[in-house]
Amino acid sequence: QLQLQESGPRLVRPSETLSLTCSVSGGSISRSTYYWGWVRQPPGKGLEWIGNIYYSGSTYYNPSLKSRVTISVDTSKNQFSLRLNSVTAADTAVYYCVVDTGGYGFDYWGQGSLVTV
Amino acid sequence: QSALTQPASVSGSPGQSITISCTGTSRDVGNYNLVSWYQQYPGKAPKLIIYEVNKRPSGVSNRFSGSKSGNTASLTISGLQAEDEADYYCCSYAAGTTLFGGGTKLTVL
Repeated sequence: QLQLQESGPRLVRPSETLSLTCSVSGGSISRSTYYWGWVRQPPGKGLEWIGNIYYSGSTYYNPSLKSRVTISVDTSKNQFSLRLNSVTAADTAVYYCVVDTGGYGFDYWGQGSLVTV
Repeated sequence: QSALTQPASVSGSPGQSITISCTGTSRDVGNYNLVSWYQQYPGKAPKLIIYEVNKRPSGVSNRFSGSKSGNTASLTISGLQAEDEADYYCCSYAAGTTLFGGGTKLTVL
């Protein structure tokens, strides 16, 4: 049973960089059929896909955020990370780390981390 | 890219069936059998209830079913129960990107 846990600063100043890490337990982040990602949800609003990364390092980003987003994997720590540059108040949201284990659905979610800009 | 279109709210009485629609385009919902649905309670992380249009993860009640016709996917909940009151989101793969619907609030009367 995979478990995901977000960590990182909960308060970020405008124009600075939001950084979050997702620690994975119960499985290897190097599993070839899995892809890891981030989804966010502004307070009182819907879900927004941010991006995904495969074990190989291939990344896919939401076109509306692509210029500001970087997702990376650290296999030695069994973690993956999100960096979002030049944040504004519009980036205030609960950020979830997620994983798709091969069925084209995000079947495991972290508990979510509210980040306020 | 635009979000998928869902009704803002639906309601039903216990025991009834309800259907939530999710409309996309021929570039996303209509082109891939890769629609998923999520249930979210207030203050909680979403939970996957349907993937690949009509498949249920282990442990999800068979009262939840999914389908697709053209550019519109649908989630049907049969035998409505009070515990089904939640927000529901559809999601579709679309050529290297992923789209969510705006969400539908289900009220059990």
